[in-house]
Amino acid sequence: GQQLNQSPQSMFIQEGEDVSMNCTSSSIFNTWLWYKQDPGEGPVLLIALYKAGELTSNGRLTAQFGITRKDSFLNISASIPSDVGIYFCAGQLWGGSNYKLTFGKGTLLTVNP
Amino acid sequence: SAVISQKPSRDICQRGTSLTIQCQVDSQVTMMFWYRQQPGQSLTLIATANQGSEATYESGFVIDKFPISRPNLTFSTLTVSNMSPEDSSIYLCSVEEAGDEQFFGPGTRLTVL
Repeated sequence: GQQLNQSPQSMFIQEGEDVSMNCTSSSIFNTWLWYKQDPGEGPVLLIALYKAGELTSNGRLTAQFGITRKDSFLNISASIPSDVGIYFCAGQLWGGSNYKLTFGKGTLLTVNP
Repeated sequence: SAVISQKPSRDICQRGTSLTIQCQVDSQVTMMFWYRQQPGQSLTLIATANQGSEATYESGFVIDKFPISRPNLTFSTLTVSNMSPEDSSIYLCSVEEAGDEQFFGPGTRLTVL
């Protein structure tokens, strides 16, 4: 099956710093999604990407769908303490009734005030 | 996006027993999904639950262990049967809305003793 490699596994940054994380796959996806999960909560959708090369922003977050359709990155600018959490990438491949998401292993972000 | 609730939010169960988890959505949705998130791990799809048909299970998951019901377009249940400590996980339901975006419920945290 498809696998996603997400890096880094964890990050420790100071408040105000920018952060970048990425996901790569051995096969293509039609859609890339980025989620954030807080402790004890379900994942919350941050950004959805639908076209190769697409660059999308949501406030301080920016994500891009790689031109090869096999990778994506998420940038967070000017980090704040509430950015703490686990960030997951997810890829979706369309095909018949296949709506399955494949998730990366997550990036644990810690922001020091 | 749809508002998704799950019951119970958490439970502690004895080995060999079964637990039924409920997922309620505030709008009608076609596609509902059940995921498992083992401690410190990413999300793994258990099955896709469509109204009016049997659930479609992913490799490694079987109906006898994880029976699913989908009686209407706003509700689904997942039962974890004959539980063992290895079933201790967070169980999450999600729904797919227009644009192929999946939104998650808050999860059910299960501990099996």
